[in-house]
Amino acid sequence: DAGITQSPRHKVTETGTPVTLRCHQTENHRYMYWYRQDPGHGLRLIHYSYGVKDTDKGEVSDGYSVSRSKTEDFLLTLESATSSQTSVYFCAISSGRAGDTQYFGPGTRLTVL
Amino acid sequence: GQSLEQPSEVTAVEGAIVQINCTYQTSGFYGLSWYQQHDGGAPTFLSYNALDGLEETGRFSSFLSRSDSYGYLLLQELQMKDSASYFCAVISGNTPLVFGKGTRLSVIA
Repeated sequence: DAGITQSPRHKVTETGTPVTLRCHQTENHRYMYWYRQDPGHGLRLIHYSYGVKDTDKGEVSDGYSVSRSKTEDFLLTLESATSSQTSVYFCAISSGRAGDTQYFGPGTRLTVL
Repeated sequence: GQSLEQPSEVTAVEGAIVQINCTYQTSGFYGLSWYQQHDGGAPTFLSYNALDGLEETGRFSSFLSRSDSYGYLLLQELQMKDSASYFCAVISGNTPLVFGKGTRLSVIA
């Protein structure tokens, strides 16, 4: 299995609080991605990174920001969490190209009350 | 934009064969991938097609027709452990994968 970890694995928070999710890889892959998965919507891309300090928006980026200061770490921040951001968040990595095979982390289940 | 269509649910009998279809609309199409996800787990890569035709990997095969913007995943000798969600995803240029909404496969005895 690709070396990808996510932390925390579960989190419950209240509306209006900031939340940061961390993705850590040991594969030295160039690309890293954040997805959210909700019933009936499949996997939707939030943001992705194509290198240190290089990021771009995905399909559902509103309300989220990201940072990548090191190759191995990709952080997803909810500046002010809302109940609509209750979801399962997956991090993924790929090498080479943005369309290359992606390897997913175990996921973080976030509940915003 | 890009869009993918796949059935939301499929049920099949253990030992049988099942086909999960995927149609797509995209510009700059490069290839089609399939991922499997068990309940509570993470998606895992199954197969990739860039050229027309059938790619076989054990009990799983994947087919692509670029002219029809269509592909399918074929699962043979179904086992209970194959019960999972299956996602097709398109690769276009140097942009991230776009995933379909997934097909939930239920294998029954």
